[in-house]
Amino acid sequence: GQNIDQPTEMTATEGAIVQINCTYQTSGFNGLFWYQQHAGEAPTFLSYNVLDGLEEKGRFSSFLSRSKGYSYLLLKELQMKDSASYLCAPDTGFQKLVFGTGTRLLVSP
Amino acid sequence: DTEVTQTPKHLVMGMTNKKSLKCEQHMGHRAMYWYKQKAKKPPELMFVYSYEKLSINESVPSRFSPECPNSSLLNLHLHALQPEDSALYLCASSQATSGGTGELFFGEGSRLTVL
Repeated sequence: GQNIDQPTEMTATEGAIVQINCTYQTSGFNGLFWYQQHAGEAPTFLSYNVLDGLEEKGRFSSFLSRSKGYSYLLLKELQMKDSASYLCAPDTGFQKLVFGTGTRLLVSP
Repeated sequence: DTEVTQTPKHLVMGMTNKKSLKCEQHMGHRAMYWYKQKAKKPPELMFVYSYEKLSINESVPSRFSPECPNSSLLNLHLHALQPEDSALYLCASSQATSGGTGELFFGEGSRLTVL
């Protein structure tokens, strides 16, 4: 089975930096996905980490530690449009993509 | 074309009705998924088709019946649903590989209300 844990909610102000953590325990691991989902919309792909370390993609960065079963998503220079749910999902490699509990991020002015 | 199209966008049905949700993709993806999402919860995996064969059924009640007529189409047949089945049903597809699941592309979803 899988156990995936994220904080339920986070709040931050515009222009700030926020880190959303994800811890996981899975049988089998190929990499870890992060998805963003705005209210009422479909999830959209943000990042996929295979190797340990930090991968930067514009304002968003994602970090992975395979040995610790830990990942985080770092959002810099927060904007109002970043208010959304952020979902982490470990990839076990068998097309069985199970999402974590999701973190609702609220960005205020 | 990186689109996954779902129809209908909204569906209201009674508990004795039979209806179907449809999903289509033309990206050549060989894995297709159904997820169920309740309000303020993450998407919950229901079924996975890989190369048009059902590969994963997450213990979904038999009142939900998936079908994959070809590599581009995925259906979810609904019969004798309960009000608690009201949710957003998301379809997704990915390029199935031996090295991993691949990025999932999601449709906009079908919002189902069971009366």
